[in-house]
Parts: sequence; structure tokens; C-alpha cells
Amino acid sequence: GQNIDQPTEMTATEGAIVQINCTYQTSGFNGLFWYQQHAGEAPTFLSYNVLDGLEEKGRFSSFLSRSKGYSYLLLKELQMKDSASYLCAVRDSNYQLIWGAGTKLIIKP
Amino acid sequence: IAGITQAPTSQILAAGRRMTLRCTQDMRHNAMYWYRQDLGLGLRLIHYSNTAGTTGKGEVPDGYSVSRANTDDFPLTLASAVPSQTSVYFCASSEEGGTGELFFGEGSRLTVL
Repeated sequence: GQNIDQPTEMTATEGAIVQINCTYQTSGFNGLFWYQQHAGEAPTFLSYNVLDGLEEKGRFSSFLSRSKGYSYLLLKELQMKDSASYLCAVRDSNYQLIWGAGTKLIIKP
Repeated sequence: IAGITQAPTSQILAAGRRMTLRCTQDMRHNAMYWYRQDLGLGLRLIHYSNTAGTTGKGEVPDGYSVSRANTDDFPLTLASAVPSQTSVYFCASSEEGGTGELFFGEGSRLTVL
């Protein structure tokens, strides 16, 4: 079966760095997405990786290793507004998105 | 402001009633999707439409139906609601090409009693 694993919850301190991991087992691979979802709101797109390596976008970076079925989202200089759930999703060989359950990130002052 | 509009935002419904969740987008995206989101689970695809006039079944289609009469509208109908359909429903769209990222509506919170 297809599966996306990510930690249920993480806690970090304002100003620090946090890495949210995502491992996947899917039927084929056509890209990996990270979305941010604040409580009670819709998911919003953060990043997309289809080739191995690091994609940097401001304070957020996303890394992909296709051979290991692994990605991480790195958030630097954490701000209180970064408290949210972070969703990992993989597009499989049929171009369908498989979603992880999300990682709830709690930022403490 | 361009985007996706869902209605209603929230609804409490008696079991056995029929309910239609509305979704309209003004981005002229061909592909549209309906997901449900439940605590502890990833987003699950209910139905999708790759273009106007076509629809397809997702991971959890039972008890739901959709139609796509035009590019902008993609309503989701629960013919006879059951308590297990209590969830938050998100409509989304994506454009062809590029990353194919999804644009989501604000969600419809449905409670079936």
C-alpha cells in the first residue's frame, strides 16, 4: 500500500530552527509537496520538490532524496505565526496525491 | 480576489437528509477536487474532475456524488447523510503545467447528527 509518515507533533522555540521529516512509500513518484495549514484554515502551498536536493524559499527550505523516500521541511528563525500543521504529500505514478496526516508544530516563546 | 469559494462554511444536518456543498473557482483551472479532512488522517480524495464534463472517483467516493457542468462549479452532494460523513470538506483546483499545486477553498465544516 501507499504510505506517508510524518511526526504527529513537534515543539520548538521562537527564533530556533526545526526540521520536519517525511518518509514515503508510493507507487511511483512525480513530485513531493509541502503545505502549511493553520488551525481552522485551508492548506496553502509551501514547496515542491521533484529532483533530489534542497529547495530554498526564504526562511523555509525543503529537501528530497528519492532513493531514500525521504524529505524534510526546514524552518529557520521560527516565528509564532509558524505555529501550524505541515502536510507532506506525494504525487504517485497516476498523478494522484497521497497525503500524510500532518505534523502539528507548536512554537513556544 | 481570485480563488475558490465554498458554501456553506458550516452546517449541521440531520442524518438521512440530502446536502449539497457548493464550490466555485474563478481561476479557470481545469482540474478540481473534493477532499475530506478528519483528525489524525491525511486529506482523502472523494471525487475529482480533470475538465468540465468529466468526473472520477477518489479514495472515498461512497455516499457522495459530483457534477461538473462548467469549468467554474464543482458541487458535492451527499444523497442521504450519515454521521460518518461528519468532517471538514475542502474543494481545491489546480492548473495544468507547472508544479500542479493545489489551491484550496476555505472549507465546509459538516456535522451529521
